Amino acid sequence: DAGVIQSPRHEVTEMGQEVTLRCKPISGHNSLFWYRQTMMRGLELLIYFNNNVPIDDSGMPEDRFSAKMPNASFSTLKIQPSEPRDSAVYFCASSLWTVNEQYFGPGTRLTVT
Amino acid sequence: KQEVTQIPAALSVPEGENLVLNCSFTDSAIYNLQWFRQDPGKGLTSLLLIQSSQREQTSGRLNASLDKSSGRSTLYIAASQPGDSATYLCAVGPLVGNTGKLIFGQGTTLQVKP
Repeated sequence: DAGVIQSPRHEVTEMGQEVTLRCKPISGHNSLFWYRQTMMRGLELLIYFNNNVPIDDSGMPEDRFSAKMPNASFSTLKIQPSEPRDSAVYFCASSLWTVNEQYFGPGTRLTVT
Repeated sequence: KQEVTQIPAALSVPEGENLVLNCSFTDSAIYNLQWFRQDPGKGLTSLLLIQSSQREQTSGRLNASLDKSSGRSTLYIAASQPGDSATYLCAVGPLVGNTGKLIFGQGTTLQVKP
């Protein structure tokens, strides 16, 4: 199994630009999670989906952030417009809902200048 | 509200030492508890998963225990090696409310010196 796949691995963009992060969960998993990690705040859950439906988006910091899961094998996290304080590593994770053992992707390191 | 705490924040030991990492949580109504390892600049790697009905899980030199009544879990690492140097995070899955999510501790950064 290829594990959770994220792209891009690194993204450098200018303030005000739109950023789209992508995630492919492990085949057969029905839950998907988006996290953000910074030195100051640690690991934060932004949003999670079960069977492609958003369950809890209370961690999404602002309306500039949006996430979609159009099918069981693909999800996107979009930031529009991006700001320097959005600089962080963004992780995607997936699991089987009934087991809740989460597997993480390698992350996308986002730098907004 | 569930809170997860890991103490100490950092630990340095000589190679070969057996060590214990601690994780405490405030609400004993948990679905499961998961231990992760994170190497610098990398993602999280799942080490062990303990279901709420279990007391411990073992994988190689690692042993994780769970005591729900006291709100504690420990990760025991036997015969530590320099390659064990990493940040170790524990995460609790709640039994009620927003099930399916994990609540993370801040982690313990371990350095094993050769």
